[in-house]
Amino acid sequence: DTAVSQTPKYLVTQMGNDKSIKCEQNLGHDTMYWYKQDSKKFLKIMFSYNNKELIINETVPNRFSPKSPDKAHLNLHINSLELGDSAVYFCASSLDTFSYEQYFGPGTRLTVT
Amino acid sequence: AQKITQTQPGMFVQEKEAVTLDCTYDTSDQSYGLFWYKQPSSGEMIFLIYQGSYDEQNATEGRYSLNFQKARKSANLVISASQLGDSAMYFCAIESGGGADGLTFGKGTHLIIQP
Repeated sequence: DTAVSQTPKYLVTQMGNDKSIKCEQNLGHDTMYWYKQDSKKFLKIMFSYNNKELIINETVPNRFSPKSPDKAHLNLHINSLELGDSAVYFCASSLDTFSYEQYFGPGTRLTVT
Repeated sequence: AQKITQTQPGMFVQEKEAVTLDCTYDTSDQSYGLFWYKQPSSGEMIFLIYQGSYDEQNATEGRYSLNFQKARKSANLVISASQLGDSAMYFCAIESGGGADGLTFGKGTHLIIQP
């Protein structure tokens, strides 16, 4: 019955590798987001998608590529991982672009060594 | 551009006391929403309360209330009768221009409830 789920919950990998984080929501929402929370707990929007279309990309390096195969899924693929990519990544969803309330997934803790 | 300022990096409060967490915001939009989220040590983001810019009444959700002062651009969270389980990080956030832009968060307040 999880509303917004993410896999994996933890991800440890080496610099230079490519990895993906998956997000799924079963709320029937049209809009999905990726946020990054750094080591100082600061949360920042990375991407937002509405109906599988990219709406915003907030100055994120192009090593990060979101992909939305359908409205219920928004995956995050990261190429050539760097130490600075270590963070917690949260997926979130909202009913549509006019709905303010967002539901967050449990987060994925990415550690790059 | 919008901005959230939370001036209290950390707070210690005695159990059962009321707590006020400060939040001021800046936006040029007339229509916006203000949020508070709780993040316990387990890491998940828990939605607490929402206030729309056109809402005339302050939002309340159980022990949580939002003290919305539009002219002062403040949206303080009040927790009544604090409990040990309230110990967590608390984030204030703003969204304007519809949900497409995502939330802009403050740096958070680390609240510790002492027995």
